Amino acid sequence: KNEVEQSPQNLTAQEGEFITINCSYSVGISALHWLQQHPGGGIVSLFMLSSGKKKHGRLIATINIQEKHSSLHITASHPRDSAVYICARPGTASKLTFGTGTRLQVTL
Amino acid sequence: DAGVIQSPRHEVTEMGQEVTLRCKPISGHNSLFWYRQTMMRGLELLIYFNNNVPIDDSGMPEDRFSAKMPNASFSTLKIQPSEPRDSAVYFCASTQVGGGNEQFFGPGTRLTVL
Repeated sequence: KNEVEQSPQNLTAQEGEFITINCSYSVGISALHWLQQHPGGGIVSLFMLSSGKKKHGRLIATINIQEKHSSLHITASHPRDSAVYICARPGTASKLTFGTGTRLQVTL
Repeated sequence: DAGVIQSPRHEVTEMGQEVTLRCKPISGHNSLFWYRQTMMRGLELLIYFNNNVPIDDSGMPEDRFSAKMPNASFSTLKIQPSEPRDSAVYFCASTQVGGGNEQFFGPGTRLTVL
């Protein structure tokens, strides 16, 4: 069983829809990463959060450390948001364990 | 800063050949990570360095894989001899441990072993 589980695995949405991607982990952590991988392959760090909520543009990430759960929300989704979204938990010396990823496709 | 730099971006080679992937981390970062991404297994950590010293290489698949970090601004991942199952995208990432720990990824090297 992967220590970091994401859902859904695949998600299709229409432009403008509100999107939620969930991440659960089995081992207690102090922080969680959300990463974005575009079709071209590059990986970008979106958020690293240890409590509460962070917002960047239309992206919002929340985390509940006690419940070992985090969510990534996208408001007013756009086709350019189409990507794979990956959550990752850091371990010793920032070593990351990755979730399986959520493939998002936003259509017009 | 230019970010994490990897070269080459694409590599196509024949089975049995030696392959060397290169990475230049962000200046000032003290930790460097090599990851491999495949369709079957997703992203996997191969090895990471802290202050140029290999800390954990338990993710290195077998003895054909080796990694070095001779100084704070350069690292290599070598596969010798290469096999078709090594075909993957190899990412390098760096971070400043203790400075938020956010990892910055390079663009990756897409390796195809024929």
